Amino acid sequence: GEDVEQSLFLSVREGDSSVINCTYTDSSSTYLYWYKQEPGAGLQLLTYIFSNMDMKQDQRLTVLLNKKDKHLSLRIADTQTGDSAIYFCAADKGGGADGLTFGKGTHLIIQP
Amino acid sequence: DAGVIQSPRHEVTEMGQEVTLRCKPISGHDYLFWYRQTMMRGLELLIYFNNNVPIDDSGMPEDRFSAKMPNASFSTLKIQPSEPRDSAVYFCASSFRDSYTDTQYFGPGTRLTVL
Repeated sequence: GEDVEQSLFLSVREGDSSVINCTYTDSSSTYLYWYKQEPGAGLQLLTYIFSNMDMKQDQRLTVLLNKKDKHLSLRIADTQTGDSAIYFCAADKGGGADGLTFGKGTHLIIQP
Repeated sequence: DAGVIQSPRHEVTEMGQEVTLRCKPISGHDYLFWYRQTMMRGLELLIYFNNNVPIDDSGMPEDRFSAKMPNASFSTLKIQPSEPRDSAVYFCASSFRDSYTDTQYFGPGTRLTVL
């Protein structure tokens, strides 16, 4: 089955760019997602990208997809303290199967 | 829409007691998912329903866990008897499977503590 991997922690200085990386294994995944979880809250959809795109930009967020390497990244420009959260990468299961496979989440830590 | 609603938000119970977690999905969504989140294991899918029918319960840890969806607007996850290792945050999510995405919308979660 699908496996989604991401590093557990990322520490950046306020005002710098954050880049959170993710790899997945199922090349038939059609959509890939980024979710954000703030303390004490549920997961909130940030953005998603269709597998035939290689980039999607939405304000401070840029998603890059390298389908050949099955690598997904989320870049947050001008990182703010409010960006401190856990970021989950997720992939659909492809082939019409139901549901998403989530990574374990990357804790983004903002240094002043 | 109010989003996915879960209750209670916090539950503290003693080992051996029955616990029932509740979820109201977003109106019109045809999929409902139950997840468990712990520090050790991350986010685990327990079970999901499509049009109120359980499709895959392979993530349910053991027979002490059961889930029902009697109608399109309500689902329960029951643990009987509860054990300390069941302490976790339980999330419900719903989605509408159109021809494009499987975007899931999460509730705020129920934090369960079993003493």
